[in-house]
Amino acid sequence: SQQGEEDPQALSIQEGENATMNCSYKTSINNLQWYRQNSGRGLVHLILIRSNEREKHSGRLRVTLDTSKKSSSLLITASRAADTASYFCATVPREDTDKLIFGTGTRLQVFP
Amino acid sequence: GAGVSQSPSNKVTEKGKDVELRCDPISGHTALYWYRQSLGQGLEFLIYFQGNSAPDKSGLPSDRFSAERTGGSVSTLTIQRTQQEDSAVYLCASGAVRQETQYFGPGTRLLVL
Repeated sequence: SQQGEEDPQALSIQEGENATMNCSYKTSINNLQWYRQNSGRGLVHLILIRSNEREKHSGRLRVTLDTSKKSSSLLITASRAADTASYFCATVPREDTDKLIFGTGTRLQVFP
Repeated sequence: GAGVSQSPSNKVTEKGKDVELRCDPISGHTALYWYRQSLGQGLEFLIYFQGNSAPDKSGLPSDRFSAERTGGSVSTLTIQRTQQEDSAVYLCASGAVRQETQYFGPGTRLLVL
């Protein structure tokens, strides 16, 4: 079974607005990663945050991690129509570091 | 070709037939993963190869599924006696460092009629 659950399942916003997606997981982790998927095909890695980190930035992306709540959030600022995609969080469990366990994903639609 | 490639892009087969899906990882990557993604769902881990070590097969859903990795590079996922519930997109990923970033191929969309 998948470890991560994400909310919302779907999000629609206007260009220029910020988009926030949340991810919860169940067991202790080594790190947490966010991926983007266009059109149901290959995924692209966005950002990795380690269990001892609390916040990380990459361009318009900001990721936070709260290990006490077993949750993470991905913020996309000043969204663009090209950001339209599905976004997945994925965790590397501390007790099973060979695996990358994916969440259910958030479908983001950015309207021009 | 710097990325992960997969073939075929699409495969339509009849129930009961065997299929082989191929993955060419990024050169030099020692870690290789197979995932399955059903329509509108997240990714389901299938199998993991790391160098010459025995693969982690714990995600394979049944004994109809098998995978091999020859020479530490190309991998083939085989599904025997396909069923309609096997219809999904099969994604391969490779990585240079275990536990870290994975680089995904475009996937093979399998449809079992």
